[in-house]
This record gives sequence, structure tokens and C-alpha cells, in this order.
Amino acid sequence: DAGITQSPRHKVTETGTPVTLRCHQTENHRYMYWYRQDPGHGLRLIHYSYGVKDTDKGEVSDGYSVSRSKTEDFLLTLESATSSQTSVYFCAIRQTGGGTEAFFGQGTRLTVV
Amino acid sequence: QQQVKQSPQSLIVQKGGISIINCAYENTAFDYFPWYQQFPGKGPALLIAIRPDVSEKKEGRFTISFNKSAKQFSLHIMDSQPGDSATYFCAATSGSARQLTFGSGTQLTVLP
Repeated sequence: DAGITQSPRHKVTETGTPVTLRCHQTENHRYMYWYRQDPGHGLRLIHYSYGVKDTDKGEVSDGYSVSRSKTEDFLLTLESATSSQTSVYFCAIRQTGGGTEAFFGQGTRLTVV
Repeated sequence: QQQVKQSPQSLIVQKGGISIINCAYENTAFDYFPWYQQFPGKGPALLIAIRPDVSEKKEGRFTISFNKSAKQFSLHIMDSQPGDSATYFCAATSGSARQLTFGSGTQLTVLP
């Protein structure tokens, strides 16, 4: 899977608790992305990173924060999980230098109860 | 506000038939149009992609047709096989970070 590992793969958490999802890559790619997948919406961009400590918001960033302290790791945090954040979360990477293909991880299924 | 609209939501085709999925976009800044295939429990994987200066691209049984003036593009799967049963997403990219904007997806079932 293009050197991308998402953890955990499944998580059930309670409303109001903080949750952190991890994306780890072994490709040394510059660009990393977090998407959420929901029925009827396809995948929607939450946040992305274009380098260490360089991040920006996507279409559905409210309620989420990210951090990238190392090239290989991109963390997505739900500060206070809500039921509307129940979703499947995908991390993607894209190579530097004009490459256009994005490679996706296996996904994390998050359920907020 | 969905910037990439995809139809149909689901599609059932007999083995050997042609599957056609359509997408339309609004943002003229989009400059790359990939199609992704996703199997249950897996992440999306790039299937085929096209740039707007080309009207058609073919790779094996998969063809993208692109109509820039109409802001529409479509995926054609010839000789559809049961192994093609999956969810297909059209997408478009723009900007220096090349972030993807996805359609809502089409669940394709190819009957044996």
C-alpha cells in the first residue's frame, strides 16, 4: 500500500473524548492529506500538509486539528469527538516534484458513540 | 456545495457489458481528472486519469472521455467483469498542493 500505515484501523470512542489518528509513511513524500469518507459524499478533504510544520485546512476542517513534526508522520486529532465525526478516515500521500498520483492508506474506521 | 457531481449512484451490469459513469464539474481551475477504484475495506486506488487538453484516454478496458466545453467527463468500462465490482470515484485536482475533490461515488456490480 505505497508505504502508508494508518493506526488504529478501528476505534470506538465516546462523545467528548479526544482522539488522535496516525498516518505514517516510509516514502519521504512531501505532501500528506487527511480525508473522510461518508456515504453520499465521496471523500472530503479535512487537512493537508506540504512539509514539516506546514499544514492547511481543507473543505471540512471544523472540529479537527493536525500536526506534522516529522516528514513521515501526520496526525489528525479530534479534540472533542462528536457523533457527526463517525466516519472512515483515509490518509493519502503524494510525491514531490509534480507527481500527480495520490496513494491512499487502508483507512481508519472511527465510531463515536 | 458539491464541486464534482457523479452519477449514477449505483449501477448493475451484466458480464461483458459496458459500464458508464458520468461526472460534471464547476470549477474551471481543475486541471487533472483521475478516477479511483475502491474495494471494500481498502483505500481508493488510481485507475486512470486525464488532463483537460485531451478528449479521450484509453487504458485496456478503461476509457475516459472528456468534454471541456461541457465540463463533463465519463468512465467507460468495456467488457465488464465481476472483478470490476467496486465503488468508483471521479475526482479533480487543482492548486499547488494538488488536493483532490471527489464525486460522491458509484457502486458498480457486475453480474456473472
